[in-house]
Amino acid sequence: RKEVEQDPGPFNVPEGATVAFNCTYSNSASQSFFWYRQDCRKEPKLLMSVYSSGNEDGRFTAQLNRASQYISLLIRDSKLSDSATYLCVVNRAGGNEKLTFGTGTRLTIIP
Amino acid sequence: DVKVTQSSRYLVKRTGEKVFLECVQDMDHENMFWYRQDPGLGLRLIYFSYDVKMKEKGDIPEGYSVSREKKERFSLILESASTNQTSMYLCASSPPAGGTDTQYFGPGTRLTVL
Repeated sequence: RKEVEQDPGPFNVPEGATVAFNCTYSNSASQSFFWYRQDCRKEPKLLMSVYSSGNEDGRFTAQLNRASQYISLLIRDSKLSDSATYLCVVNRAGGNEKLTFGTGTRLTIIP
Repeated sequence: DVKVTQSSRYLVKRTGEKVFLECVQDMDHENMFWYRQDPGLGLRLIYFSYDVKMKEKGDIPEGYSVSREKKERFSLILESASTNQTSMYLCASSPPAGGTDTQYFGPGTRLTVL
């Protein structure tokens, strides 16, 4: 089983729609969780951290379910500029600084 | 703003050549990382450094070595480049343990080995 699993997509979604991605992780000792965004031929950039209580940043909402070991990202009122690959990222157990990256979910917003 | 720079955006080398990829960060971060990214495989950690002259193997260190002589600079070395090392190479840095785990990436070097 992969340490971090994501549906690769592609998700083709009309502008203005709501889209949600899920990600599962295998290591129950992981403590830090993130969503990164990667545009085509660019480097990954932090979109948001994911907290146990859930957190929201504008149109983006992230949720963590520790019991089921999954993380979700919800994008409301999607914009053309949201088209990108979204990477689910989990820290490795043991309190170290290494991260494990999912292979990403590709999202295309259609006008 | 954190800035991580990499010496080249695109590089073409021949099989057997020694290749140096340079990475510099300006945020005084202790931790630096080298990844490669391939379609369908995601980012895979090659090497990690948590301090000057300190290094740790990642998940796929074979065929690579690293050097960290100064805090801001982390170099990836391909001792004898092979075609299966054709990939996108990404450098990242992060603050020390106890702070955020967030990693900040450079723009990447797309290496082609012929």
